[in-house]
Amino acid sequence: QKEVEQDPGPLSVPEGAIVSLNCTYSNSAFQYFMWYRQYSRKGPELLMYTYSSGNKEDGRFTAQVDKSSKYISLFIRDSQPSDSATYLCAMSSGGSNYKLTFGKGTLLTVNP
Amino acid sequence: TAGITQAPTSQILAAGRSMTLRCTQDMRHNAMYWYRQDLGLGLRLIHYSNTAGTTGKGEVPDGYSVSRANTDDFPLTLASAVPSQTSVYFCASSAGDTQYFGPGTRLTVL
Repeated sequence: QKEVEQDPGPLSVPEGAIVSLNCTYSNSAFQYFMWYRQYSRKGPELLMYTYSSGNKEDGRFTAQVDKSSKYISLFIRDSQPSDSATYLCAMSSGGSNYKLTFGKGTLLTVNP
Repeated sequence: TAGITQAPTSQILAAGRSMTLRCTQDMRHNAMYWYRQDLGLGLRLIHYSNTAGTTGKGEVPDGYSVSRANTDDFPLTLASAVPSQTSVYFCASSAGDTQYFGPGTRLTVL
């Protein structure tokens, strides 16, 4: 079993839809959870950062962590064509080792 | 602030030739990383450096070497390129758990 599993999609939704992106993980040592957005032919950019279980909201984006189920989600409300990108989850156990473990990414297309 | 710069943007390289991919950051981050990104395989860590003067191997280090002479620069060298090293290479840096990525170098080895 891979440490981080993420459905690669592709996922295609109409503009204005609510999007749900998910990752599962197997390593219970992971404490820090991130979502990155990567536009075509660009580097990944940090979108959301969370620590511990619960929800974190930033504008149209909500990150949710459920450590008991080893499951994280990213919700996008009122999706826009500019949200079309690949979304990667990433996680870390923290400490002096800053290495991240990434999901393979989900390709999202929001159609106008 | 430029953040992380990478050079070149893209390169076509003959198999067997050597090449150094350059990465420079201006955020004074202690840690730096090199990843390759391939379709269906995601981001894979090649080498990393937690601080200047130290380096470590990642998931796919074979065929690559790195050095970290100072805080800002973290070059990646391919001593003798092979076609399987065709990929998009990303450099990243961090001061904690979040990493910041450069724009990438698209390398084709023929």
